[in-house]
Amino acid sequence: EIVLTQSPGTLSLSPGERATLSCRASQSVSSSYLVWYQQKPGQAPRLLIYGASSRATGIPDRFSGSGSGTDFTLTISRLEPEDFAVYYCQEYATSPLITFGQGTRLEIK
Amino acid sequence: QITLKESGPTLVKPTQTLTLTCTFSGFSLTTTGVGVGWIRQPPGKALEWLALIYWDDDKRYSPSLKSRLTITKDTSKNQVVLTVTNMDPVDTGTYYCAHIVISYYYYMDVWGKGTTVTVSS
Repeated sequence: EIVLTQSPGTLSLSPGERATLSCRASQSVSSSYLVWYQQKPGQAPRLLIYGASSRATGIPDRFSGSGSGTDFTLTISRLEPEDFAVYYCQEYATSPLITFGQGTRLEIK
Repeated sequence: QITLKESGPTLVKPTQTLTLTCTFSGFSLTTTGVGVGWIRQPPGKALEWLALIYWDDDKRYSPSLKSRLTITKDTSKNQVVLTVTNMDPVDTGTYYCAHIVISYYYYMDVWGKGTTVTVSS
């Protein structure tokens, strides 16, 4: 059973700074099935990145995804006030078919 | 435009069966490469996948909850129904349904707003 470990648990940064969020898989996964979501309080998750590096429709280009194998990264180049939220990585296709990481909370410093 | 909306009881008693309905528009669950999934989130905790159903009626369940879950679809009504038996207070949380894309990439691109379920006597 695959486990996705996200780090750090909480990231405190200021608007304008660069954010780097990590997602590590317990076994190698296909990049085609690695996804990132953003969730704000009281809202449903929002698709940001699929296929490890492809931005979803309407997602600003300050969001980028990278990685392969067991190590994946979500980078936000210059934080905007609306970017402070919880971010989840997710893998699709390895048992138990869909797995989420525990999330990284990005908070304003 | 794809939209999904979850509906069901807000309060259930322990041991009862929960029935949730996802009503969607903007796509058909008869189209190849399409699915609908259910995901839940306990208060203050992470997302947890529960079940999904594909256009071809293939169904998949979370192994840890498989014995308690049943997912079905009604393509004529554009609905997907999830039942969860033997509800417990730990099942309290927000339940989401989401549109699934299966192609070279696999992902859930549109989510409903969620419905909150509390399990309490």
